[in-house]
Amino acid sequence: NAGVTQTPKFRILKIGQSMTLQCTQDMNHNYMYWYRQDPGMGLKLIYYSVGAGITDKGEVPNGYNVSRSTTEDFPLRLELAAPSQTSVYFCASSLPSSGSGTADTQYFGPGTRLTVL
Amino acid sequence: AQSVTQLGSHVSVSEGALVLLRCNYSSSVPPYLFWYVQYPNQGLQLLLKYTSAATLVKGINGFEAEFKKSETSFHLTKPSAHMSDAAEYFCAVSERYNQGGKLIFGQGTELSVKP
Repeated sequence: NAGVTQTPKFRILKIGQSMTLQCTQDMNHNYMYWYRQDPGMGLKLIYYSVGAGITDKGEVPNGYNVSRSTTEDFPLRLELAAPSQTSVYFCASSLPSSGSGTADTQYFGPGTRLTVL
Repeated sequence: AQSVTQLGSHVSVSEGALVLLRCNYSSSVPPYLFWYVQYPNQGLQLLLKYTSAATLVKGINGFEAEFKKSETSFHLTKPSAHMSDAAEYFCAVSERYNQGGKLIFGQGTELSVKP
């Protein structure tokens, strides 16, 4: 298993450009998540999905969009990049052993480092 | 709202010394609790988790953590630090009835190990 893979590893964007961060998992996990990590701030949840076709906002969704058309893929879209979106982005997935998945381990990808200038 | 506090953004210990990383949560209903580790330029991986079985939880690489309800704490310890333990450590909570298993992370503690 490759686990959770993310592309690209690095990207530099200009203000106002758009891009899609790709995330794929091959573990047949139902739940997927997008986080951003900023120095000294820990990780903040952007969006999450509990299955194909179902997505919901996390703590910091503004400026981002997601879709979940398959179990494997969970892309994150930035429409109008702003300097405040400079961050490291992590995708994660989990296989809920119980109904809500609250006690389950999340498996993380290696991250995408994004700089907006 | 639930919050997680990690005391100390940087902790430095000597090789062979005790490692103690502190984590406190705010919920009145004990949540599920996790410690994740992040090595440089990598994603996070699970060290251990508390899911209301034993209050002393053992994890990988010799780490353990003890859930103390009276202190709302879940501190991470390791008796003897190795150079390879140098990394950033994150405490996280999952409220028991939250939809989607969402995690709330602390700010992180960077552990340095001196030879």
